[in-house]
Amino acid sequence: DVKVTQSSRYLVKRTGEKVFLECVQDMDHENMFWYRQDPGLGLRLIYFSYDVKMKEKGDIPEGYSVSREKKERFSLILESASTNQTSMYLCASRPTVQETQYFGPGTRLLVL
Amino acid sequence: GENVEQHPSTLSVQEGDSAVIKCTYSDSASNYFPWYKQELGKRPQLIIDIRSNVGEKKDQRIAVTLNKTAKHFSLHITETQPEDSAVYFCAASDGSGTYKYIFGTGTRLKVLA
Repeated sequence: DVKVTQSSRYLVKRTGEKVFLECVQDMDHENMFWYRQDPGLGLRLIYFSYDVKMKEKGDIPEGYSVSREKKERFSLILESASTNQTSMYLCASRPTVQETQYFGPGTRLLVL
Repeated sequence: GENVEQHPSTLSVQEGDSAVIKCTYSDSASNYFPWYKQELGKRPQLIIDIRSNVGEKKDQRIAVTLNKTAKHFSLHITETQPEDSAVYFCAASDGSGTYKYIFGTGTRLKVLA
C-alpha cells in the first residue's frame, strides 16, 4: 500500500516567516509534486520533481522553492510567508509518467 | 497554456439516479486521463483512469468515456449512493512530456437521500 505522508496537518505562521513543508513517500517513486488547493480553483501545481535533485516549476512557483535531496523526500519552502499563501498544500508522488498519483493528507497552512 | 475545463461545478442528484461530469482538454497530445474523488477532509484518491487508446472504461458503477476528436471525457456514476457525495476532479496529462497533470477545477456532487 502506497504511503505518502506530510509533516503537519495544520500550521499557523506569521507573515515573513520561513516555512518548511515536508513530504515523504515510501514506494520508491520517481516523481513527486506539490499542489495548492483553493476553493473554486482546483489543484494548482507549484513545483514537481522527476528525480532526485531535479525540479521543475509548475504553474504557480512564485514565492516558493523546493528541495529533493533524497528520493523519498520532497520539501516545499515558503521563503517569506505571506497571507495570500494561506491554503491547503497537497503533496503527491507517482512511480513514473502516466501512472496514478498518490496524494498525501494535506497541510492546511494559515499565515497571519 | 494547456487547460482542462470541468462542468458542472456543483451537481445534486437523488439517490439512485445517475450523475455525469464532463471535462474538456486543450492539448491534443494528452493521452492519460485520471479521475480523483476527494471526500470532505480527506486526500484525493484515484477512482478510475483511461488512456487515449481506449474509448470507454468501466468499473462497477463508475465509467469513463473519452472522445479524442472532440477532446472531452466524462465520468458517469450510476445508481448513486450517499457515499458518492464528494468533490470529483478530472485531469489530463501534459502532452509535451513535462510529466505534469492538468487538473479541472472540481465538481461537488451531492447525493440526496
